[in-house]
Amino acid sequence: GQQLNQSPQSMFIQEGEDVSMNCTSSSIFNTWLWYKQDPGEGPVLLIALYKAGELTSNGRLTAQFGITRKDSFLNISASIPSDVGIYFCAGGSSGSARQLTFGSGTQLTVLP
Amino acid sequence: NAGVTQTPKFQVLKTGQSMTLQCAQDMNHNSMYWYRQDPGMGLRLIYYSASEGTTDKGEVPNGYNVSRLNKREFSLRLESAAPSQTSVYFCASSPSLQGAYYGYTFGSGTRLTVV
Repeated sequence: GQQLNQSPQSMFIQEGEDVSMNCTSSSIFNTWLWYKQDPGEGPVLLIALYKAGELTSNGRLTAQFGITRKDSFLNISASIPSDVGIYFCAGGSSGSARQLTFGSGTQLTVLP
Repeated sequence: NAGVTQTPKFQVLKTGQSMTLQCAQDMNHNSMYWYRQDPGMGLRLIYYSASEGTTDKGEVPNGYNVSRLNKREFSLRLESAAPSQTSVYFCASSPSLQGAYYGYTFGSGTRLTVV
């Protein structure tokens, strides 16, 4: 089945630093989505990407849909304490019964 | 708006016991999903329901059964719990099976421990 490799698995950064994480796949996806999971909660959608090469921002977050359609990255600028959580990428194949394939997550810790 | 509501939030079971995890959504979504989350393994699909009256297996269906009771509710049943089923379980919904386009809305999870 389809698999996503998400890296890094965990990050410890200082408040104010920028963060970058990415997902790669051996399969092509039609959609890339990025979710954030706060401690004790379910994942919440941050950004959705629909076209190869697309660059989309949501506040301090910027995500890109790779031109090969096999990868995506997420950048967070000027991190703040509330950025702490697990970030998941998800690849979507319209028409597939499985719909979304999730990466294993990046655990982000922001140090004061 | 409540979105996706899961009950219970926490549960401890003894090996061999059965239980049902409840999920309800109030967004008039057609498709619903059950995932389990284990450390370092992301979210793995257990079962999904494309629409009321249909259910299908996902990646890891063994040991589980589901019921799509109506459009709002989708329950997950463990008939004979095993320690390997210790996990966090998430229910999610999307407007249709084109959830890959819209994304899913997740509940806050059920943390299950089987001893």
